Amino acid sequence: QVQLVQSGAEMKKPGASMKVSCKASGYTFIDYDLYWVRQAPGQGLEWMGLINPKSGGTNSAQKFQGRVTMTRDTSINTAYLELTTLTSDDTAVYYCARDGPTVTTPYFDFWGQGTLVTVSS
Amino acid sequence: SYVLTQPPSVSVAPGQTARITCGGDKIGSKSVHWYHQKPGQAPVLVVYDDSDRPSGIPERFSGSNSGNTATLTISRVEAGDEADYYCQVWDSTYDPAVFGGGTKLTVL
Repeated sequence: QVQLVQSGAEMKKPGASMKVSCKASGYTFIDYDLYWVRQAPGQGLEWMGLINPKSGGTNSAQKFQGRVTMTRDTSINTAYLELTTLTSDDTAVYYCARDGPTVTTPYFDFWGQGTLVTVSS
Repeated sequence: SYVLTQPPSVSVAPGQTARITCGGDKIGSKSVHWYHQKPGQAPVLVVYDDSDRPSGIPERFSGSNSGNTATLTISRVEAGDEADYYCQVWDSTYDPAVFGGGTKLTVL
C-alpha cells in the first residue's frame, strides 16, 4: 500500500533552516509528482511547491521562492523540503502528498503524517 | 491569484444531508477536489475531479461543480463525518495549487 513517512518534529531558532524528509513506499517513486503543503496552527492548508522525482524539476509558490529548496534521492525513494531563514510565521505542520493518478489536474491522493516544525527563540 | 471561498462552518443533524460549497470565478471550468481533515490528522481525499470518489470513501460523499460554485454533499451524515473540509483546484496563472479556507462540519 502507498505510504509516505515523514521525519520527526523539529524545534528551530529564528533565522535557522529546516529540512523535512518524506520517504515513499508502495509505488514507483519516480512516476508521481510529490507536493509539499503546510498548515499553521489553527489555519488552513497552504501549498508550498512540488517536485518531479524523475527529473528533479521543481515549482514553488511565489511567497517561498528564494527560501525553499525541494530535492529527492531516488536511490532511497525520499523527497526533501528545505526552508531557510525561518521566522515564527513558519511554525506549522508540513505535509508531503502524492499527486493522484488521473490526467486531469493535480490533486493529492496520499499524504504523509505531517512534521511539526516549531520556530521559537 | 485565484481565490476559493468556503463557509467557515456548516452544522447538520445526524442522518441529514450536509452541503459544503466552494465558490470561485468560473470554477465550473476547473476540476475540484475535496479533502477532509480530522483534528491532529493529515487531510484525506474524499472527492476528486468534481465528483469521483477514491476507493474506500463511502457513496454518501458526492460532488458537483457548475458555474461559480462547487458543492460537496454528504448524505446520511454520521458523527464520524465531523471534520474540516477543504476544496482545492489547480490554477496555472499564479500559484497553481489553491485551497479554500476550509469549512468546519459540525454534527449536532
